[in-house]
Amino acid sequence: QVQLVESGGGVVPPGGSLRLSCAASGFTFTRLGMHWARQAPAKGLEWVAYIRYDGSKTLYSDSVRGRFTISRDNSNNKLYLQMNSLRAEDTAMYYCAKDASYGDYVSYFDYWGQGDLVTVSS
Amino acid sequence: QSVLTQPPSASGTPGQRVSISCSGSTSNIGSNVVNWYQQLPGMAPKLLIYNTNQRPSGVPDRFSGSKSGASASLAIRGLQSEDEADYYCAGWDGSLNGVVFGGGTKLTVL
Repeated sequence: QVQLVESGGGVVPPGGSLRLSCAASGFTFTRLGMHWARQAPAKGLEWVAYIRYDGSKTLYSDSVRGRFTISRDNSNNKLYLQMNSLRAEDTAMYYCAKDASYGDYVSYFDYWGQGDLVTVSS
Repeated sequence: QSVLTQPPSASGTPGQRVSISCSGSTSNIGSNVVNWYQQLPGMAPKLLIYNTNQRPSGVPDRFSGSKSGASASLAIRGLQSEDEADYYCAGWDGSLNGVVFGGGTKLTVL
């Protein structure tokens, strides 16, 4: 069965950096796009970033573009989110999610991880 | 402020039918499919409806989705207590070149 397990979250001061990881299993990771989404405390869902199955294309929300970098290691079935210049408003539960499409386009998130909490605070 | 607009709350009694709206624009719902996610309290989101009106395996047929123009709806018939959750619409926005979500609707089963 599909499993997505996030790790690397924690408390970081404003301006700091953190790298999230997502270990994927139960599907052919190398053939599917992947996403990061987040949810601030008591708030709604927000899409953060997408990466194509081969890593050749990435997309970002306006709120993180230039500060966050999504990447993947297809040899080890891992997804990453490098977060730099963190701000208080980046405090959220971060979810990795699998895209359902085998094509070169974004479709929908058919599986989500359980999430990892990132807190930006001094 | 979310790109897609949902009512913040909805409610119904067991057995009733409830509907949750999702309003967008020509760059998102008006030209692309809509997906719905259910988030039970304290849990990760789960896919509920995809491609506007398709149910993943395991989702009861009490849940249905539809779209008209730049608006979409999620309908739940035969409401049950376990349906109490937050519901989010989402889709691709061609102008923003990214995925957009609605602000979420908290469904209460009275």
